[in-house]
This record gives sequence, structure tokens and C-alpha cells, in this order.
Amino acid sequence: GAGVSQSPSNKVTEKGKDVELRCDPISGHTALYWYRQSLGQGLEFLIYFQGNSAPDKSGLPSDRFSAERTGGSVSTLTIQRTQQEDSAVYLCASSLRPFMNTEAFFGQGTRLTVV
Amino acid sequence: AQSVTQLGSHVSVSEGALVLLRCNYSSSVPPYLFWYVQYPNQGLQLLLKYTSAATLVKGINGFEAEFKKSETSFHLTKPSAHMSDAAEYFCAVSAFTGGGNKLTFGTGTQLKVEL
Repeated sequence: GAGVSQSPSNKVTEKGKDVELRCDPISGHTALYWYRQSLGQGLEFLIYFQGNSAPDKSGLPSDRFSAERTGGSVSTLTIQRTQQEDSAVYLCASSLRPFMNTEAFFGQGTRLTVV
Repeated sequence: AQSVTQLGSHVSVSEGALVLLRCNYSSSVPPYLFWYVQYPNQGLQLLLKYTSAATLVKGINGFEAEFKKSETSFHLTKPSAHMSDAAEYFCAVSAFTGGGNKLTFGTGTQLKVEL
């Protein structure tokens, strides 16, 4: 596709369940980012991939959060044993090159609700 | 480490009036600065970016921003607001980390345009 695609667009899960969020970046983009957007909190950086490796995982809130990227393309963000405070919109972005002035393109996000 | 501060979580202007959204940054190295806009239920879209080529940057939809190093500011302006400008606006700073451009966002400013 032409843009960054995220699935599902909405996810409602019960507290304690595991969830997987998927991101398909723009073809050829080597850098991929995950952010979390909570009401009134702005965008919180979670993790950054360059190819399949993650040089910066500093934003992952706890060990319940993990992410992987395969084939330099699709990425999956996994949240284990979900808690209500995990409810947020999870945004994925990709950029062509890992340089500082390169535009990042964002997907429309996955809205996660933990009940 | 880098950070941005957006003054005013909500700004309201009349249609046709000047739009001014404030952003101050902190960076230990020369920064790259961005403004993104998020329309309801959509992903983030790049408005404009500063990459040291010119201090006055023009973006889409009539927006512009001026980089002022002495004030560590990158305020976003538009001479005449339109109803379609109602959205949330995010200022972001990019700096080198682990080989790539990690974007650090402000908490956002919700712009309301009134008749």
C-alpha cells in the first residue's frame, strides 16, 4: 500500500489477556517506530527499529511490552497480561532513512481498550 | 537529551484570525524540528520541518514556522485561520540516537476555530 498500515484499527480486550498489534510500514522504509498516545499525554516513544534490530527500546513501559520486526518490514507489538492503564492509541511510523531530517509517516493507529 | 514544550493545551481563535501555536525546544545538539497535525480519528501528518537550511519554514495549508535559536523556539503561525484547521498540533524534535532519528513530541495543542 501507499501508506503505513496498522491492524486492527480497534481492539477491546479483557484485563490479563495478551494482545498483538501489527504495523506494515511503507515499502523500502528501513526505520520503524512505535508510539503510544494517551489522552492528555501526547505521544510517548516506545521503541525504534533499524532493519530488524532495535537500537532503542528505552520507551517500553515494562517487561510486559515487547516488539519484533521481521524481514525488515512488518512489525508486531505485543502486550502481555494487559492492564487498564495500557488503554491508548498505539501509533506506528516509518521513515526512509534513519537520518535526523527524514520525515516519519504515521499510520492511523490501533485504539486499544482494556476492560 | 532533547525535549519540546508546547504552551497551551487548547487554543481557540476566530475564523480569519491569526493562529499562533507555541513550541520551545531543548537539545544538546543542533536540532531538527517538526510540526505535525492530527485530524480527528486520523494519523499524524507532517506540516513542516526545520533542517537548518532556512530559519523561516513554509509548510502545507498556509502554515509557517520560524526557528529562533536565541529563544529556543519554533512557533507555528498562520495568518488567517480556517474552520478546516481545527485539529491537534504536535511539535517534535529529532536527535541522533542509536543510529537513527528518534522523534520526541510535545503534549500537543488542540486548535479550535470558531465562527
